[in-house]
Amino acid sequence: GESVGLHLPTLSVQEGDNSIINCAYSNSASDYFIWYKQESGKGPQFIIDIRSNMDKRQGQRVTVLLNKTVKHLSLQIAATQPGDSAVYFCAETDSWGKLQFGAGTQVVVTP
Amino acid sequence: KAGVTQTPRYLIKTRGQQVTLSCSPISGHRSVSWYQQTPGQGLQFLFEYFSETQRNKGNFPGRFSGRQFSNSRSEMNVSTLELGDSALYLCASSFTGTRLTDTQYFGPGTRLTVL
Repeated sequence: GESVGLHLPTLSVQEGDNSIINCAYSNSASDYFIWYKQESGKGPQFIIDIRSNMDKRQGQRVTVLLNKTVKHLSLQIAATQPGDSAVYFCAETDSWGKLQFGAGTQVVVTP
Repeated sequence: KAGVTQTPRYLIKTRGQQVTLSCSPISGHRSVSWYQQTPGQGLQFLFEYFSETQRNKGNFPGRFSGRQFSNSRSEMNVSTLELGDSALYLCASSFTGTRLTDTQYFGPGTRLTVL
């Protein structure tokens, strides 16, 4: 039969505010997590990663938090800008580096 | 350093035809992975190649195949195309694909439309 299209959750954020994007992962054995950003017409772009032995990692304007107890990952973007408008994916990987992606979150930055 | 390149960027084919997509990894990267992205299924792993050998495979039918050359460039082939094969096909490269922190970098993708 015809597959149902994924309805991406949308996060609408005002320019200058902080954004928080959440992701639930499935495999408790996953050891490495990555956030990717995908702009329209482009491939996913690496943002930040974190290993399972950490619970927080900071980059430039971005912070990733990992809660292994509830298998939850979040990406925080500080002072969101129009260029941050994109679809954000979390991905988990096993030891072979095969990425398993979440469904994605559409971030829309409004002026 | 040049990024991952994929050719062609756009393709239109009809049902029953076959198609070959090409991926050139970042210089020095030896692992190449392929993903399919559709609105219905999201991003799904197809297969991964390292040193000309398929090392990992996703849950796709045998119509989807690939190969890797000695210069690490990779091709994927889809035979007997179906309407459902319409998708964005993404290639990602990394140094070895085995270490947990060996980041995969994606190309811009090939948009395949099957009519």
